[in-house]
Parts: sequence; C-alpha cells; structure tokens
Amino acid sequence: GEDVEQSLFLSVREGDSSVINCTYTDSSSTYLYWYKQEPGAGLQLLTYIFSNMDMKQDQRLTVLLNKKDKHLSLRIADTQTGDSAIYFCAETVGSGNTGKLIFGQGTTLQVKP
Amino acid sequence: GAGVSQSPSNKVTEKGKDVELRCDPISGHTALYWYRQSLGQGLEFLIYFQGNSAPDKSGLPSDRFSAERTGGSVSTLTIQRTQQEDSAVYLCASRSARDTGELFFGEGSRLTVL
Repeated sequence: GEDVEQSLFLSVREGDSSVINCTYTDSSSTYLYWYKQEPGAGLQLLTYIFSNMDMKQDQRLTVLLNKKDKHLSLRIADTQTGDSAIYFCAETVGSGNTGKLIFGQGTTLQVKP
Repeated sequence: GAGVSQSPSNKVTEKGKDVELRCDPISGHTALYWYRQSLGQGLEFLIYFQGNSAPDKSGLPSDRFSAERTGGSVSTLTIQRTQQEDSAVYLCASRSARDTGELFFGEGSRLTVL
C-alpha cells in the first residue's frame, strides 16, 4: 500500500548540518515534496524534487533522491535555531502533479544553540 | 481571500454530537484535500476532490465521516456521532494542476471531543 516513513526526531547543534531521511513506496511518483510546519503554524512547502532528478539544491537545502531504493533525504546546511520545526516528506500517488498526496509522520528537528 | 480558509478554528463538542468543518479553497484550485493531524501523529489522508471526478474517499476512517464539495469550491467535512478518538486538527488544502502541484494548507480546525 501507500506508505511514507520518516524518523521521528533529530537533534543537532546550531551551525551543524541536518539530514532528514524518508522512504516511500510509489515508484510512479512524479513529484516528491518536503513540507515544514513551524510551532503553531500551518504547513508550507519547503522544496520539491521531480522524479527524473537525483539532486536539487536551493540555498541551504539539498534534496537527494534515490529512485532505486525509494529514498529521499533533505539536508539543511548551517542549521539555525529558526529551522526548528517538523519536516514532512510527501509523495504523490500516481504520475503527474495531481492525485493523492501521502505524508510521512514528520521529523521533529530540534536545533540547540 | 488569498489563502485557504477553514472554520471554525476551534470546536469543542460532546461525544455523540455531529460536527461540520468548513474549507474555502484558493479560487481556481481544482483539487481539494482533507487531512487529519493527531498529537504525535503525522498527516493522515482523509479524502480528496479533483474537479468533477468522483472523490477519493479511501482515507475516511469510518462511515461516520463524510465530505462534500459544492460547486467545485467550498467543502464541508462532517463527522457524525463524534467519538473522543476523533479529537485532532483537521487540515484542508487546495492545489492547482499547474506547475509542481504544490498544496496550500489552511490553518486547520482543532476538534476536541469531550
């Protein structure tokens, strides 16, 4: 069935790199997403990657996609206290950019000063 | 408004009562989604509307849950005979078919069943 798995918690020191990992099940997913939920706020898109890409870099964010292993990761360089939030990985079930979006459980990132 | 609007933001009800949660999506977005977020849990998919197609109801946890979308715009999620385990934040999101298909989320409706 459709499933997205993430580790639940990650703690890092300010200035270190953070790596959040995710595995998914639908090999036909065209887009894979990372959403961020700050305390008391709604979810917002952080970044995405198209399935024909292996890597995408956006300022301090690097997304790596291993389609063979159905593994997605998000690396945050020079992690700041403002990066403390819950990070959700999501896959689109089926091809295209419409369709059901399945989210993982979310990884809580704690950044210590 | 410019974003997804949900109401009420908070709802406290007694076990056994029915509740209705409303979502007003971004104008022009063809797809609308409902998710549930319980404490310590991820986002649980409930139901998804795409244009005039039949909705994907595969995530609804029981027949006490139903949703409709009128005129391809506003959606209402109804929970009948609420139970304590229904307590959660119910999130609505809408999506355009263009570009990357980013989901835009509302602030959610927090439901507490006593």
